[in-house]
This record gives sequence, C-alpha cells and structure tokens, in this order.
Amino acid sequence: QLQLQESGPGLVKPSETLSLTCTVSGDSVTSATFYWGWIRQPPGEGLEWIGSIYYSGNTYYNPSLKSRVTISVDTSKDQFSLKMTSVTAADTAVYYCARHRLGGSSRWFGPWGQGTLVTVSS
Amino acid sequence: QSALTQPRSVSGSPGQSVTISCTGTSSDIGGYNFVSWYQQHPGTAPKLMIYDVTKRPSGVPDRFSGSKSGNTASLTISGLQAEDEADYYCCSNAGSYTAWVFGGGTKLTVL
Repeated sequence: QLQLQESGPGLVKPSETLSLTCTVSGDSVTSATFYWGWIRQPPGEGLEWIGSIYYSGNTYYNPSLKSRVTISVDTSKDQFSLKMTSVTAADTAVYYCARHRLGGSSRWFGPWGQGTLVTVSS
Repeated sequence: QSALTQPRSVSGSPGQSVTISCTGTSSDIGGYNFVSWYQQHPGTAPKLMIYDVTKRPSGVPDRFSGSKSGNTASLTISGLQAEDEADYYCCSNAGSYTAWVFGGGTKLTVL
C-alpha cells in the first residue's frame, strides 16, 4: 500500500529557507504517469498547490510561489523534497506531499501524506 | 490564478442529499474536465473522493457523485451519514495543463 511521509523542521526563522522531504513507500517515485506534489494549508484556511515533480526532474510550480520554491527528487531513496526561500509568517502552514496523477487523460492528487506543520517564527 | 469559489458551509439531515458548488472561470473549471474533490476530517489529510469531474476512486461510496456545467462544478452527497461531516475541497487545472488551483473549502454539517 502506497504511503507518503513528510519530514523536516517544524520551526523556521523568518527570511530563512524551509526544507522538507517526502519519503515514498509501497511504490517507487519512478512510477510512470505519476508526478509527486507538495500542497500546503495555512491554519484554518484552504489548500494551495505548491508544485509537482516527475522522476526525470521535470517540475511544475505555482506561479505565485515559483520564485521561492525548488522541488527535487532522489530516485535512489524514493524521496522528493521541497525548498522554499525567504519565508515569512504567511508561509506558516501544514505541508502535505501527495502523489499527483498527471498523465494520460486523468488528473488527481492521492494519496496524501499525513502532513507536517511548519511554523515561521523568530 | 485565483482560488475557486465554494460556499463556506452547507448542512443537511441524515438521509438527505446536499450539493456543494465550486465556481471558477473558463480558464480553469470551464476549460478542462479535470475537476477533483477532496474530503478532509479535522486533523487529517485530504482524501480523494471524485476525479475527472465524475469518476469515483475504488472504495468511495456511490453516494458521492460529481458533475460540471460551464464554469461550475458540483459535488452531491446523497443519503447523508454522520461520517460525511467534514470539509470538502474542489480542485481544477488552471490556466494551463501544468497549474492547479483549489477551492476555499466547504464545511459540511450533518444535523
């Protein structure tokens, strides 16, 4: 059964870089037709897509975050990672990783990791 | 890209049907047949309930159904059950095949 697990610091200082890793088990990040995505949810608010990556390294980013975000993949470890620079309090959120169907004639996110809360504060 | 518009809350009694709307534009919902819906119980991760406007993943009850007309997508839950009480989010391609936007979420209360 496919499972995803986020990991990384729960507290980041303003202006610093947020770094998270998602570990995939029960499948491989090299699975065809699937990308791997990051989505975030500020406390009490809705969901926001951050970006998605294919195992080849091809990436798509939310235009509003693109200048600050880098998503990378490590196929040897079945992991993909998120880096977000120059964070502010507005980046405080639960960060989810998810498998992203982005091939053929179907598009969806699932399953999702349990999420990890990242707080931006000094 | 702007967030899709959903009602903040809807409610219904057990056994009744409710419909949650999700309104976008011709650049997102109206332009693609890739609307998906997610259920989120408090403190848990979202779960895929409907994809590609009308399709239901394995394991999702057939009480859940999706549709689309123009720039508005809808999720209908029939035969409401207590466990359906949750937040629901819609999602669509936006602006291109490589960008994605979510709705603001709708809180469903089962009375």
